[in-house]
Amino acid sequence: DAKTTQPTSMDCAEGRAANLPCNHSTISGNEYVYWYRQIHSQGPQYIIHGLKNNETNEMASLIITEDRKSSTLILPHATLRDTAVYYCIVRVETSGSRLTFGEGTQLTVNP
Amino acid sequence: GAGVSQSPSNKVTEKGKDVELRCDPISGHTALYWYRQSLGQGLEFLIYFQGNSAPDKSGLPSDRFSAERTGGSVSTLTIQRTQQEDSAVYLCASSPGQWYSPLHFGNGTRLTVT
Repeated sequence: DAKTTQPTSMDCAEGRAANLPCNHSTISGNEYVYWYRQIHSQGPQYIIHGLKNNETNEMASLIITEDRKSSTLILPHATLRDTAVYYCIVRVETSGSRLTFGEGTQLTVNP
Repeated sequence: GAGVSQSPSNKVTEKGKDVELRCDPISGHTALYWYRQSLGQGLEFLIYFQGNSAPDKSGLPSDRFSAERTGGSVSTLTIQRTQQEDSAVYLCASSPGQWYSPLHFGNGTRLTVT
């Protein structure tokens, strides 16, 4: 799977949008971008995924650049409960469907 | 609906003992995964089951680790002759089976080997 690069940590004020970047410059045409988050002492939680079009669901929006070399996860109105480690993962069919987790970004939402 | 269920939530065992960890996937999900997460570390893939295909065991760290999935549903991860370095949170995930389908994780079993 293509390697991803994320900042180690980020801070965001409660109520503001949190924009989490991810670089995946070696991504291939058949690789999807996935975002998960992990709140302390819980299993990872699926957030959103996409191939090349921007995606939105009830949790977040995913913006993928036209060249697909980077993406941004947007939490539109961050709350204290959004404090978590956020993982950006790219996944290719040949990897046997497993997800390979990196170090992720520790997002801290401050009151 | 019900998510992935894992039991027990916590397990303390003595070094050298065998342990079994259970995973109940989401109903209808054909793919099942085991991962482990050591303290302060990332998630490490262990094993993957897909339908009736042979499991992908490439992530199992040693032959003390094994897993089975009976009837295409419940899975058991067994660790024989536990060692202190086996202490970790063991996470199970399931998915509908298509390779692009997202994985849904349980909250894990925290294993402590004393």
